[in-house]
Amino acid sequence: AQSVAQPEDQVNVAEGNPLTVKCTYSVSGNPYLFWYVQYPNRGLQFLLKYITGDNLVKGSYGFEAEFNKSQTSFHLKKPSALVSDSALYFCAVRDPLYYGGSQGNLIFGKGTKLSVKP
Amino acid sequence: KAGVTQTPRYLIKTRGQQVTLSCSPISGHRSVSWYQQTPGQGLQFLFEYFSETQRNKGNFPGRFSGRQFSNSRSEMNVSTLELGDSALYLCASSLGGGFQETQYFGPGTRLLVL
Repeated sequence: AQSVAQPEDQVNVAEGNPLTVKCTYSVSGNPYLFWYVQYPNRGLQFLLKYITGDNLVKGSYGFEAEFNKSQTSFHLKKPSALVSDSALYFCAVRDPLYYGGSQGNLIFGKGTKLSVKP
Repeated sequence: KAGVTQTPRYLIKTRGQQVTLSCSPISGHRSVSWYQQTPGQGLQFLFEYFSETQRNKGNFPGRFSGRQFSNSRSEMNVSTLELGDSALYLCASSLGGGFQETQYFGPGTRLLVL
């Protein structure tokens, strides 16, 4: 079965410092990978996705992520964190091999709470 | 374009009751997916509808059901509510539901079962 792991429940960063939110995945086929952010009492906002091609994906609000097939990782990064980046971040995977089944949609990690201090 | 809208935003029910939640996708989007978010289980896929047909279904009991209308609006229904059904229910839409497509989420309906 496909799965996503976000090994850190919380990441603390000082404003202006680079941030990394980690994600590893396990799939049978070629993964489609996504990052979403959730602010309190809000739905999920799409940040970026990897489908194919360049391993470095650039997304919204200055975020980027690097797809590493050998390490089965898709870590989210930002060169300089802002206080307003503080939120809950979710990594998700979708595996075309599971089309039509119970895992045929987005499988989410447990989420990582990012806290950026001034 | 207007985003995904969900109504109501908040709901309080008692055990044994049933509830219907509504989702209006982004204009032009034909695929609607539903997810349940709880602190303990995280985000879990409920079901997906495309062109009024259920295309995928997650591992939830039959008390959870849904449907999609010809205008792509979708409803989900939970019958015989249990305390454990308290959650944030999120709806997401995409153009055709393809695996590489981005799903855009609504603000969610927060359901509290007493």
